[in-house]
Amino acid sequence: GNSVTQMEGPVTLSEEAFLTINCTYTATGYPSLFWYVQYPGEGLQLLLKATKADDKGSNKGFEATYRKETTSFHLEKGSVQVSDSAVYFCALSNSNSGYALNFGKGTSLLVTP
Amino acid sequence: ETGVTQSPTHLIKTRGQQVTLRCSSQSGHNTVSWYQQALGQGPQFIFQYYREEENGRGNFPPRFSGLQFPNYSSELNVNALELDDSALYLCASSLRIFSGASGTQETQYFGPGTRLLVL
Repeated sequence: GNSVTQMEGPVTLSEEAFLTINCTYTATGYPSLFWYVQYPGEGLQLLLKATKADDKGSNKGFEATYRKETTSFHLEKGSVQVSDSAVYFCALSNSNSGYALNFGKGTSLLVTP
Repeated sequence: ETGVTQSPTHLIKTRGQQVTLRCSSQSGHNTVSWYQQALGQGPQFIFQYYREEENGRGNFPPRFSGLQFPNYSSELNVNALELDDSALYLCASSLRIFSGASGTQETQYFGPGTRLLVL
């Protein structure tokens, strides 16, 4: 079955530091891959997505590249801001799951001034 | 702002009671999925509705049931509430399309959630 593994948090960074949150997945076929962000007390917001191998999703300075050879979709940002403090979820969907999203456990990010 | 709305925002119930949560899809979307997010965990898929029919279900007992209406809004019903049902319930809407050789593609957009507390 499908599964997503994210690095354990919490991750604490100083403002303007480089961010990497690792995500690896197990799935058959060619899943679509997503990063969602959840701010305190809120629902999930789509941050970026990639639907095929070597695609790069990007949004608001965040990037992630779909690497089929390493089954990974790591999230990166060159310079984080305090406002980026949130929980980040990696997720996948494919026809095997009926296009339901399979989420990782989430990685909490705290950015300090 | 995704255009997906949920009601109520918060709810307190006692064990054994029943609850109904509501979701309005983003305009133009035909598919609704429901997820349960326990504190500190990732969301878990409950079920999905496409064109008013249940179209997939996660590992949840039958006391979790749902409906989708002709306007694609949806309800989640939970009977015989248990303490472990306390969670954030998230609704997501999407547009299911069939794009020929590249298959079906859809992206799910989430509402703000309903936080349920069972005492």
